[in-house]
Amino acid sequence: GAVVSQHPSWVICKSGTSVKIECRSLDFQATTMFWYRQFPKQSLMLMATSNEGSKATYEQGVEKDKFLINHASLTLSTLTVTSAHPEDSSFYICSAIGTGTYSNQPQHFGDGTRLSIL
Amino acid sequence: QKEVEQDPGPLSVPEGAIVSLNCTYSNSAFQYFMWYRQYSRKGPELLMYTYSSGNKEDGRFTAQVDKSSKYISLFIRDSQPSDSATYLCAMSAGNNNDMRFGAGTRLTVKP
Repeated sequence: GAVVSQHPSWVICKSGTSVKIECRSLDFQATTMFWYRQFPKQSLMLMATSNEGSKATYEQGVEKDKFLINHASLTLSTLTVTSAHPEDSSFYICSAIGTGTYSNQPQHFGDGTRLSIL
Repeated sequence: QKEVEQDPGPLSVPEGAIVSLNCTYSNSAFQYFMWYRQYSRKGPELLMYTYSSGNKEDGRFTAQVDKSSKYISLFIRDSQPSDSATYLCAMSAGNNNDMRFGAGTRLTVKP
C-alpha cells in the first residue's frame, strides 16, 4: 500500500520551456502532498506543501511564480516549472500523506523526476 | 547548528558486516523517527518508523532511539550488496507535515 507515482521520470527540454510534473497517490487519498528538490549527493530540500483544494505553502526562497503547484484532487498534485533555465535542472521528488489508515504514517515518496534543462 | 545531523560518509563495508548508521538532533520535541533508503535516481523508501525511545526490529534492520541523548541509530545485520544506497534519517514532532531530514549517509557494501 501507500504507492506514490510520479511522471515523467526524466525530462530534457530547452531553456525557456515550461515543464509539468505529476504526482499521484495510487491506492490512497492524499490530503497533503509535498514537493522536494534534491541536488546530487545532497539531502531533500522542501519546496512547498500543498493541500487539496487550497493554495500551496512555499518555503522561504522558493519562487511561487516559478514553481506553480496545483493540488486539484485527493490523488493528484502537479508541479509546473515555468520558463525553466539550466539552473532549474535538478531531481524533483513528491511525497504524500494520506487519510484514514494512512493518516498516521510518515510521508511516502514518489520515484522522482530528473529535470535537465539545456 | 542543524536540527538533524547525519554524517554523509561515504561508508564502505564488506558483505556480511554489521552496519551502524546514526543521527543526532537538537529538537527535544521530536517524537517520531524514520529511516528511509534511497537508491540512486530513485525516491526515498520508508524502511523503519518508530515512536519515542526504544528499539524496533524488522528482519535484518534494527532502529534504536535514545531520546535522552537525542541520538538515533539504524543497524543492518549481514549486509548485502543490495543494501548499497543512501540512508536518510528523518524526524518530526508529531505532525508528519513537518519532517526534518538528515543529509543522508552513502553506504556501499562490497561483495
